Amino acid sequence: NFMLTQPHSVSESPGKTVTISCTRSSGSIASNYVQWYQQRPGSAPTTVIYEDNQRPSGVPDRFSGSIDSSSNSASLTISGLKTEDEADYYCQSYDSSNMVFGGGTKLTVL
Amino acid sequence: QVQLVQSGAEVKKPGASVKVSCKASGYTFTNYYIHWVRQAPGQGLEWMGIINPSGGSTTYAQKFQGRLTMTRDTSTSTVYMELNSLRSEDTAVYYCARGERWLRAVDYWGQGTLVTVSS
Repeated sequence: NFMLTQPHSVSESPGKTVTISCTRSSGSIASNYVQWYQQRPGSAPTTVIYEDNQRPSGVPDRFSGSIDSSSNSASLTISGLKTEDEADYYCQSYDSSNMVFGGGTKLTVL
Repeated sequence: QVQLVQSGAEVKKPGASVKVSCKASGYTFTNYYIHWVRQAPGQGLEWMGIINPSGGSTTYAQKFQGRLTMTRDTSTSTVYMELNSLRSEDTAVYYCARGERWLRAVDYWGQGTLVTVSS
């Protein structure tokens, strides 16, 4: 099994841009799609990015995803931060027999 | 609209078993896989396994093999997750979630079921 490593927390001011990284421990990040989920306290997660860089309908275009093979990592970028973006964010990928989640990143918008 | 409605909270003693249900509606039940994901208090998401409602095939995370059983009832569009030999570390919110492709991703989540294991 591989692991996905995320920073424990990030913080930024409203209106700014923040990027959350997700590094795959083994195997290529490009070999399997990466998803990103947002989870607010007391709620189930919701998808903000799927298949590396696709946004579900209803997710604002302030959210974007990318992968970087050179660092074997994926990134979630949120621009024009709003206080409502404050939440936990999880990356997720898979291999032939497992789904794997990153440890989660707490985003504080202050 | 797609809905996954889970059964209510449970309190169990160490060594007991728990069975959580997940009733699907708003889509063709057999066309989508169901995952189970759990979240211990203050912790991250942990994938437990997946079931194909069409044929009933399953894959479990190695950590849970031997203790976890997923089943489905196509007549009621319901998936069940049973975890045996419970210990305090199994205290968590258990989510079911729908996926279109085997293992790739999930799109809709249930509301979660809190399972508390305590003597």
